[in-house]
Amino acid sequence: AQSVTQLDSQVPVFEEAPVELRCNYSSSVSVYLFWYVQYPNQGLQLLLKYLSGSTLVKGINGFEAEFNKSQTSFHLRKPSVHISDTAEYFCAVSRAGGYNKLIFGAGTRLAVHP
Amino acid sequence: DARVTQTPRHKVTEMGQEVTMRCQPILGHNTVFWYRQTMMQGLELLAYFRNRAPLDDSGMPKDRFSAEMPDATLATLKIQPSEPRDSAVYFCASGLENYGYTFGSGTRLTVV
Repeated sequence: AQSVTQLDSQVPVFEEAPVELRCNYSSSVSVYLFWYVQYPNQGLQLLLKYLSGSTLVKGINGFEAEFNKSQTSFHLRKPSVHISDTAEYFCAVSRAGGYNKLIFGAGTRLAVHP
Repeated sequence: DARVTQTPRHKVTEMGQEVTMRCQPILGHNTVFWYRQTMMQGLELLAYFRNRAPLDDSGMPKDRFSAEMPDATLATLKIQPSEPRDSAVYFCASGLENYGYTFGSGTRLTVV
């Protein structure tokens, strides 16, 4: 079975500062990894995904994440955040291959302050 | 952009009543998920389907919950009878294989 740990429940940061949201996973088999963002009263939107290949993955809204197999991590980064990035961010894992369920972490609340 | 459509967006019902939530997956997507989100439990997988066949519904309380896909354009989640502890936001998601799924806006259920 797979599991995900998001190490920070809340991350406060000032506007234009860099941010890293941490995610660690556990699995005995190959995995796919995802980051989703949820704005208030909305569904989840896919930010980026790692399926295979380059370990540095670029997504929407200037976010990127790096897959580190040895450390079983998939941390999300942005070099300069905006007020509009304030949201809940979820890391998710699934077994590699087709038709597998997504297992989500508990989420990290990113609060960007002016 | 193609969207997953969920109805209703909000539902308030009394304990003991039947609740039906509907989801229209994106055309061509053959995998459909139902998730429940609460503050205490986070995002929990209730059930999922591939090509309309249930693959896993182990996360769903079988005595009161049921999930079906009567056709490729409709997925339903029913709760009968509903209880206050069922209050949550229920999300439907669809996708094609395991390349990242598209979520609907959710149904916010309140059972009083």
